[in-house]
Amino acid sequence: AQSVTQPDIHITVSEGASLELRCNYSYGATPYLFWYVQSPGQGLQLLLKYFSGDTLVQGIKGFEAEFKRSQSSFNLRKPSVHWSDAAEYFCAVGAWDGGSQGNLIFGKGTKLSVKP
Amino acid sequence: DAGITQSPRHKVTETGTPVTLRCHQTENHRYMYWYRQDPGHGLRLIHYSYGVKDTDKGEVSDGYSVSRSKTEDFLLTLESATSSQTSVYFCAISVPGQPYEQYFGPGTRLTVT
Repeated sequence: AQSVTQPDIHITVSEGASLELRCNYSYGATPYLFWYVQSPGQGLQLLLKYFSGDTLVQGIKGFEAEFKRSQSSFNLRKPSVHWSDAAEYFCAVGAWDGGSQGNLIFGKGTKLSVKP
Repeated sequence: DAGITQSPRHKVTETGTPVTLRCHQTENHRYMYWYRQDPGHGLRLIHYSYGVKDTDKGEVSDGYSVSRSKTEDFLLTLESATSSQTSVYFCAISVPGQPYEQYFGPGTRLTVT
C-alpha cells in the first residue's frame, strides 16, 4: 500500500541555520510528491511539488526539495531558517486508487520550532 | 488564495446530535475533498466528490456522509456525532490538469462533548 513516512516528529533549529526535513514514500509507480506547510490555526499551504523532470524543485518561501528515486525520498531543505518558518510540515504522495480517482496520502507531519 | 471557505469555523456540539459542515468554492472545480486532521495522524481522507451528485468514500468514512447538489458546495454530515469525531476538518479542491495538486480551506474545529 502507498504510504508516506516523516521520521522526525519535532525538529528545533536556530534562526539562520540550515534545515532539512525528511520524507520517505512507498509507491510502485512514478510518484507525484508534495510538501505542504501549516501555520498554527491555519489551513495547509502548498510549498512545492514534483511531477517529473528535474529532481531538484524550487518552491515558495525559499524552500527546495530533492527527489531521489533510489532512496524513495523527497527531503525538504532551506539554507537559512527564519523565525516565521516555525510551523508543521507535511509531505504527501499522489496515489492512484485503482479506480476512477487518485488521492493524496499524507505523512504525519514534522513540527518545526525555531530558536532565536 | 484558492477561493475556499468553510463554515462554521468552530463548533461545539453534544454527542448524538447531527452536524453539517459546509465547504464552498468559487473556482468551479470538479473535485472536492473532506479530510480530518488529528494529532499524530496527519490528514486522512473522509470522502471526496468528482462532480455534482458524484461522491466516493475515503480512508475514514464511517460515521460520515456527504452531499453535493451544486458544483460550488460540498457538505459533510455527521449523522450522530461521537467524541471520536472531535477533530479539525479541512475541505480541499484539486486543480484541473494538475494531478493530485490540492488547495485547502481554512478548516473547521469541531468539538463533540
